[in-house]
Amino acid sequence: GENVEQHPSTLSVQEGDSAVIKCTYSDSASNYFPWYKQELGKGPQLIIDIRSNVGEKKDQRIAVTLNKTAKHFSLHITETQPEDSAVYFCAASKGGAQKLVFGQGTRLTINP
Amino acid sequence: GAVVSQHPSRVICKSGTSVKIECRSLDFQATTMFWYRQFPKQSLMLMATSNEGSKATYEQGVEKDKFLINHASLTLSTLTVTSAHPEDSSFYICSAPLASSEQYFGPGTRLTVT
Repeated sequence: GENVEQHPSTLSVQEGDSAVIKCTYSDSASNYFPWYKQELGKGPQLIIDIRSNVGEKKDQRIAVTLNKTAKHFSLHITETQPEDSAVYFCAASKGGAQKLVFGQGTRLTINP
Repeated sequence: GAVVSQHPSRVICKSGTSVKIECRSLDFQATTMFWYRQFPKQSLMLMATSNEGSKATYEQGVEKDKFLINHASLTLSTLTVTSAHPEDSSFYICSAPLASSEQYFGPGTRLTVT
Protein backbone atom coordinates (compact mmCIF):
# COMPACT_ATOMS: atom_id res chain seq x y z
CA GLY A 1 0.00 0.00 0.00
CA GLU A 2 0.89 3.67 -0.07
CA ASN A 3 3.51 5.03 2.32
CA VAL A 4 4.10 8.74 2.85
CA GLU A 5 7.23 10.03 4.54
CA GLN A 6 7.41 13.63 5.77
CA HIS A 7 10.41 15.72 6.84
CA PRO A 8 11.36 17.47 8.98
CA SER A 9 9.37 16.53 12.07
CA THR A 10 9.99 19.96 13.60
CA LEU A 11 10.91 23.24 11.94
CA SER A 12 11.63 26.57 13.52
CA VAL A 13 12.03 29.71 11.40
CA GLN A 14 12.23 33.42 12.00
CA GLU A 15 9.18 35.49 11.20
CA GLY A 16 9.40 36.69 7.62
CA ASP A 17 11.60 33.83 6.46
CA SER A 18 10.45 30.92 4.31
CA ALA A 19 9.60 27.40 5.44
CA VAL A 20 9.78 24.25 3.33
CA ILE A 21 8.33 20.85 4.23
CA LYS A 22 8.98 17.81 2.07
CA CYS A 23 7.11 14.55 1.51
CA THR A 24 7.76 11.43 -0.51
CA TYR A 25 5.25 8.79 -1.53
CA SER A 26 5.64 5.23 -2.72
CA ASP A 27 2.61 4.41 -4.88
CA SER A 28 2.87 5.75 -8.42
CA ALA A 29 -0.93 5.40 -8.72
CA SER A 30 -1.45 8.22 -6.23
CA ASN A 31 -2.58 11.35 -8.04
CA TYR A 32 -3.89 13.74 -5.42
CA PHE A 33 -1.69 15.43 -2.80
CA PRO A 34 -3.25 17.75 -0.22
CA TRP A 35 -1.63 19.66 2.62
CA TYR A 36 -3.38 20.22 5.93
CA LYS A 37 -2.75 22.61 8.79
CA GLN A 38 -3.78 21.48 12.25
CA GLU A 39 -3.94 23.73 15.26
CA LEU A 40 -4.00 22.36 18.78
CA GLY A 41 -7.27 20.64 19.62
CA LYS A 42 -8.78 21.19 16.17
CA GLY A 43 -9.38 19.16 13.06
CA PRO A 44 -7.03 19.45 10.06
CA GLN A 45 -7.73 22.31 7.67
CA LEU A 46 -7.07 21.90 3.96
CA ILE A 47 -4.71 24.69 2.89
CA ILE A 48 -3.62 23.68 -0.60
CA ASP A 49 -3.59 20.64 -2.84
CA ILE A 50 -2.10 19.52 -6.12
CA ARG A 51 -3.01 16.92 -8.68
CA SER A 52 -0.59 14.80 -10.64
CA ASN A 53 -1.19 16.64 -13.90
CA VAL A 54 0.26 19.82 -12.40
CA GLY A 55 3.83 20.55 -11.31
CA GLU A 56 3.25 23.60 -9.14
CA LYS A 57 0.39 25.48 -7.55
CA LYS A 58 0.43 28.73 -5.62
CA ASP A 59 -2.05 30.48 -3.36
CA GLN A 60 -0.77 33.77 -1.96
CA ARG A 61 2.08 32.88 0.44
CA ILE A 62 1.65 29.14 0.05
CA ALA A 63 2.89 27.00 -2.81
CA VAL A 64 3.16 23.29 -3.48
CA THR A 65 5.44 21.56 -5.97
CA LEU A 66 5.19 18.02 -7.26
CA ASN A 67 7.84 15.85 -8.89
CA LYS A 68 6.05 12.74 -10.14
CA THR A 69 9.21 11.08 -11.39
CA ALA A 70 10.90 11.31 -8.02
CA LYS A 71 7.61 10.82 -6.16
CA HIS A 72 8.01 13.79 -3.91
CA PHE A 73 6.10 16.97 -3.20
CA SER A 74 6.83 19.99 -1.07
CA LEU A 75 5.04 22.78 0.74
CA HIS A 76 6.55 26.25 0.62
CA ILE A 77 5.43 29.06 2.91
CA THR A 78 6.92 32.48 2.27
CA GLU A 79 6.94 35.57 4.49
CA THR A 80 6.02 33.45 7.49
CA GLN A 81 3.88 34.94 10.24
CA PRO A 82 3.28 33.85 13.85
CA GLU A 83 -0.16 32.52 12.90
CA ASP A 84 1.52 30.04 10.58
CA SER A 85 2.71 28.16 13.68
CA ALA A 86 0.90 24.79 13.66
CA VAL A 87 1.35 21.15 12.69
CA TYR A 88 1.33 20.53 8.95
CA PHE A 89 0.46 17.18 7.35
CA CYS A 90 0.96 16.05 3.79
CA ALA A 91 -1.16 13.26 2.35
CA ALA A 92 -1.63 11.23 -0.80
CA SER A 93 -4.56 9.45 -2.37
CA LYS A 94 -5.69 7.92 -5.64
CA GLY A 95 -8.23 10.69 -6.02
CA GLY A 96 -12.01 10.80 -5.92
CA ALA A 97 -13.38 9.53 -2.62
CA GLN A 98 -10.34 7.38 -1.93
CA LYS A 99 -8.75 7.33 1.50
CA LEU A 100 -5.86 9.63 2.34
CA VAL A 101 -2.52 8.32 3.58
CA PHE A 102 -0.87 10.88 5.83
CA GLY A 103 2.71 11.80 6.52
CA GLN A 104 3.97 11.95 10.08
CA GLY A 105 3.47 15.70 10.43
CA THR A 106 5.75 18.72 10.86
CA ARG A 107 5.50 21.01 13.84
CA LEU A 108 6.26 24.49 12.47
CA THR A 109 7.18 27.25 14.90
CA ILE A 110 7.51 30.84 13.74
CA ASN A 111 9.76 32.87 16.04
CA PRO A 112 8.93 36.59 16.31
CA GLY B 1 -14.49 25.16 1.57
CA ALA B 2 -17.06 22.56 2.53
CA VAL B 3 -18.15 22.25 6.16
CA VAL B 4 -18.10 19.11 8.27
CA SER B 5 -19.36 19.14 11.84
CA GLN B 6 -18.89 16.70 14.71
CA HIS B 7 -20.83 16.26 17.89
CA PRO B 8 -19.97 16.23 20.70
CA SER B 9 -16.69 18.12 20.74
CA ARG B 10 -15.76 16.63 24.09
CA VAL B 11 -17.12 13.68 26.03
CA ILE B 12 -16.15 12.04 29.28
CA CYS B 13 -17.59 8.63 30.02
CA LYS B 14 -17.09 5.87 32.52
CA SER B 15 -15.35 2.64 31.66
CA GLY B 16 -17.77 0.07 30.25
CA THR B 17 -20.23 2.54 28.77
CA SER B 18 -20.77 3.32 25.08
CA VAL B 19 -20.34 6.65 23.38
CA LYS B 20 -21.74 7.83 20.04
CA ILE B 21 -20.03 10.47 17.92
CA GLU B 22 -21.83 12.10 15.00
CA CYS B 23 -20.25 13.43 11.82
CA ARG B 24 -22.29 15.59 9.46
CA SER B 25 -21.54 17.15 6.10
CA LEU B 26 -23.41 20.44 6.30
CA ASP B 27 -23.43 21.73 2.75
CA PHE B 28 -22.78 18.70 0.58
CA GLN B 29 -23.69 15.04 0.36
CA ALA B 30 -21.13 12.35 1.10
CA THR B 31 -21.65 8.72 0.20
CA THR B 32 -18.32 8.03 1.87
CA MET B 33 -16.91 9.37 5.11
CA PHE B 34 -13.75 8.46 6.97
CA TRP B 35 -13.06 8.04 10.66
CA TYR B 36 -9.62 8.72 12.10
CA ARG B 37 -8.04 8.44 15.49
CA GLN B 38 -5.20 10.70 16.59
CA PHE B 39 -2.97 10.24 19.61
CA PRO B 40 -1.11 13.24 21.09
CA LYS B 41 1.65 14.54 18.83
CA GLN B 42 1.02 11.84 16.27
CA SER B 43 -0.43 11.66 12.79
CA LEU B 44 -3.97 10.67 11.88
CA MET B 45 -4.65 6.94 11.81
CA LEU B 46 -7.45 5.83 9.54
CA MET B 47 -9.85 3.55 11.40
CA ALA B 48 -12.55 2.87 8.86
CA THR B 49 -14.38 4.01 5.76
CA SER B 50 -18.07 4.66 6.26
CA ASN B 51 -20.23 3.84 3.25
CA GLU B 52 -23.80 5.07 2.87
CA GLY B 53 -26.12 2.12 2.35
CA SER B 54 -23.54 -0.57 3.01
CA LYS B 55 -21.19 -1.87 5.67
CA ALA B 56 -18.18 0.10 6.78
CA THR B 57 -14.71 -1.00 5.72
CA TYR B 58 -12.31 -1.30 8.64
CA GLU B 59 -8.54 -0.93 8.54
CA GLN B 60 -6.41 -3.81 9.68
CA GLY B 61 -6.25 -4.07 13.45
CA VAL B 62 -9.41 -2.06 14.12
CA GLU B 63 -12.09 -4.03 15.97
CA LYS B 64 -15.34 -3.67 14.08
CA ASP B 65 -17.40 -4.86 17.04
CA LYS B 66 -15.88 -2.22 19.26
CA PHE B 67 -16.09 0.70 16.85
CA LEU B 68 -19.53 0.52 15.29
CA ILE B 69 -20.08 2.72 12.25
CA ASN B 70 -23.43 3.59 10.74
CA HIS B 71 -23.81 5.79 7.67
CA ALA B 72 -27.45 6.66 8.17
CA SER B 73 -27.86 9.18 5.37
CA LEU B 74 -25.91 11.08 2.74
CA THR B 75 -24.98 13.69 5.35
CA LEU B 76 -24.56 11.70 8.56
CA SER B 77 -22.18 9.03 9.80
CA THR B 78 -21.92 7.88 13.40
CA LEU B 79 -19.13 6.15 15.29
CA THR B 80 -20.07 4.31 18.46
CA VAL B 81 -17.31 3.25 20.82
CA THR B 82 -18.78 0.29 22.67
CA SER B 83 -17.76 -0.77 26.16
CA ALA B 84 -15.19 2.00 26.28
CA HIS B 85 -12.00 1.59 28.27
CA PRO B 86 -9.32 4.12 29.23
CA GLU B 87 -7.15 3.01 26.31
CA ASP B 88 -9.92 4.20 23.95
CA SER B 89 -9.33 7.76 25.13
CA SER B 90 -8.24 9.71 22.08
CA PHE B 91 -9.08 12.43 19.58
CA TYR B 92 -11.52 11.10 16.97
CA ILE B 93 -11.88 12.98 13.69
CA CYS B 94 -14.10 12.36 10.70
CA SER B 95 -13.71 13.56 7.14
CA ALA B 96 -15.88 13.69 4.06
CA PRO B 97 -14.61 13.93 0.48
CA LEU B 98 -16.00 15.90 -2.39
CA ALA B 99 -16.20 14.19 -5.76
CA SER B 100 -13.30 16.36 -6.85
CA SER B 101 -11.05 14.70 -4.24
CA GLU B 102 -10.85 17.42 -1.60
CA GLN B 103 -11.47 15.99 1.86
CA TYR B 104 -12.79 18.18 4.61
CA PHE B 105 -12.36 17.32 8.24
CA GLY B 106 -14.59 17.83 11.22
CA PRO B 107 -13.33 19.67 14.30
CA GLY B 108 -12.75 16.42 16.17
CA THR B 109 -14.13 14.82 19.33
CA ARG B 110 -12.02 14.45 22.43
CA LEU B 111 -13.03 11.24 24.22
CA THR B 112 -11.89 10.63 27.77
CA VAL B 113 -12.76 7.33 29.42
CA THR B 114 -12.40 7.28 33.20
